[in-house]
Amino acid sequence: EAQVTQNPRYLITVTGKKLTVTCSQNMNHEYMSWYRQDPGLGLRQIYYSMNVEVTDKGDVPEGYKVSRKEKRNFPLILESPSPNQTSLYFCASKFRDRDTGELFFGEGSRLTVL
Amino acid sequence: AQSVTQLGSHVSVSEGALVLLRCNYSSSVPPYLFWYVQYPNQGLQLLLKYTSAATLVKGINGFEAEFKKSETSFHLTKPSAHMSDAAEYFCAVSRPAAGNKLTFGGGTRVLVKP
Repeated sequence: EAQVTQNPRYLITVTGKKLTVTCSQNMNHEYMSWYRQDPGLGLRQIYYSMNVEVTDKGDVPEGYKVSRKEKRNFPLILESPSPNQTSLYFCASKFRDRDTGELFFGEGSRLTVL
Repeated sequence: AQSVTQLGSHVSVSEGALVLLRCNYSSSVPPYLFWYVQYPNQGLQLLLKYTSAATLVKGINGFEAEFKKSETSFHLTKPSAHMSDAAEYFCAVSRPAAGNKLTFGGGTRVLVKP
């Protein structure tokens, strides 16, 4: 089954404790992206990757890091989480960057930073 | 820069009534337009998309949307609401010249009353 898998789905952590949210897709997609969803703001792009070893900032990259060492994986790293990073995070992928096709989303990772 | 405005963060409809969700965009050139749906505790799924072919686009689950360039709108409709339509709906826009990066509206949550 074609899917984007995120882990963990739920996480409560404390300010400053580094964490990583993993994302993996099994569709051989070149393009992957991270979004955060906050009430009334819709989804805002954090980082994206057009292919292995190619990443770039989205609209709200501050406080986040990413890496793309393998095509299937695109982890999101919070080096020193703060309460304003409490949010619902989605990983998504599509065939390639300029593709107008469907963006496939994971089920989301709800993060609470105390 | 492109942006998307969804009028109404919450919409309540009776089962069997018309569903109308409004989306207006701003873009200096004709964009591509999308509607995504998010069911509770799930990621987003593509409902339909407009990519400069027919202006009336039919999607899954009986939804359709019409691109009106003169009104810069892409409203989503369904003639008869079903309880299973209760979800959050997101309008999104992308431009080919901007690498087809998706910009999302703030979302509209639909409540269906029996």
